[in-house]
Amino acid sequence: QQQVKQSPQSLIVQKGGISIINCAYENTAFDYFPWYQQFPGKGPALLIAIRPDVSEKKEGRFTISFNKSAKQFSLHIMDSQPGDSATYFCAAKVETSGSRLTFGEGTQLTVNP
Amino acid sequence: DGGITQSPKYLFRKEGQNVTLSCEQNLNHDAMYWYRQDPGQGLRLIYYSQIVNDFQKGDIAEGYSVSREKKESFPLTVTSAQKNPTAFYLCASSTSEGSGNTIYFGEGSWLTVV
Repeated sequence: QQQVKQSPQSLIVQKGGISIINCAYENTAFDYFPWYQQFPGKGPALLIAIRPDVSEKKEGRFTISFNKSAKQFSLHIMDSQPGDSATYFCAAKVETSGSRLTFGEGTQLTVNP
Repeated sequence: DGGITQSPKYLFRKEGQNVTLSCEQNLNHDAMYWYRQDPGQGLRLIYYSQIVNDFQKGDIAEGYSVSREKKESFPLTVTSAQKNPTAFYLCASSTSEGSGNTIYFGEGSWLTVV
């Protein structure tokens, strides 16, 4: 079974700090790696995504770093804010196989004021 | 507003009963999905459909059934064969093909077996 392993399961960061969430995958055919953000009681929403032709993508305070040789990618949240407190999911898919995503287990992020 | 509507938000079921969760989208998306979410286990795919009148089993299809008679609708039935149905259920949709097609999620439905 295709897997995406995510760590840590939970993370507590002080306001203004850097939050880092890591994911590792097995299937080298994966070529699209999105991150989703989910607030309690809500559906996940796309936060940022990357393809393996680049090693980093930045959108505001959110950055994805991608290491193709290690089959790892990570989400960095700079200047973390209490409003960033949510569950974050990494995911991966093979774009030519359609839209089916494989999700990581999720990371519950708490940013303390 | 465009989006995905799931109903009901909360549902209680007695053991041995079938229940159906509704999912409607007005995004004109071809593909629709059902995920189950349990604490600490991420999102697990139950069923997905890339076109009307066609659907495929996901990773945990046992005890569930779906239909796709209309492009905008993809209801999920949780049958009495599902041994542990209490969970948060998420419906999603996307364009069928194309690079980077974003999956959009509904607000979810909480199902509790009592």
